Amino acid sequence: DAGVIQSPRHEVTEMGQEVTLRCKPISGHNSLFWYRQTMMRGLELLIYFNNNVPIDDSGMPEDRFSAKMPNASFSTLKIQPSEPRDSAVYFCASSLTGTGSGEQYFGPGTRLTVT
Amino acid sequence: AQKVTQAQTEISVVEKEDVTLDCVYETRDTTYYLFWYKQPPSGELVFLIRRNSFDEQNEISGRYSWNFQKSTSSFNFTITASQVVDSAVYFCALSENSGNTPLVFGKGTRLSVIA
Repeated sequence: DAGVIQSPRHEVTEMGQEVTLRCKPISGHNSLFWYRQTMMRGLELLIYFNNNVPIDDSGMPEDRFSAKMPNASFSTLKIQPSEPRDSAVYFCASSLTGTGSGEQYFGPGTRLTVT
Repeated sequence: AQKVTQAQTEISVVEKEDVTLDCVYETRDTTYYLFWYKQPPSGELVFLIRRNSFDEQNEISGRYSWNFQKSTSSFNFTITASQVVDSAVYFCALSENSGNTPLVFGKGTRLSVIA
């Protein structure tokens, strides 16, 4: 089975531009998580979905960030406008609820650089 | 509030030495899950183990072993006979309730195994 797929793997953009990160969770998984990793703050949750419904977006830094999950197979994280402080690695993870297991499987990440 | 502390920022050992990575957690939940993830230099996050709060049995998987002690709120990870391929950043993480909720990560411990 394919793991969590993220695209692009690397993104370099200029301040003020819109950035869209994409994630395809593992087939059959019904929870999806977006995390951000920086040197200063480590790994932190941005938002997560259960059954395509956003549950907690309190980690989203500000209104410039938005996330959607239009169906069980796809999610996007959008930053508009982007700023240099958004430079980080963004991870998407998915898990299967209802089994009590709760392991989250992570995608390879998108390394975002905003100049 | 939940918190995970990995007091060791960096550890360096010589190949074949044993090494223990410490993890201390804080939570008010009576049911919770603990995890370890490995992040090799390539950057992906690899799931290693999950433990629930009702299962204090230690676990061994090859050269890896985990010691969960509720009395000290610790979930330590030992690598026996370390190898260069074990060089990575290791993260301890905690999730509440069912385990299908966001992970709270520690800051990570960077392990360097020298040949």
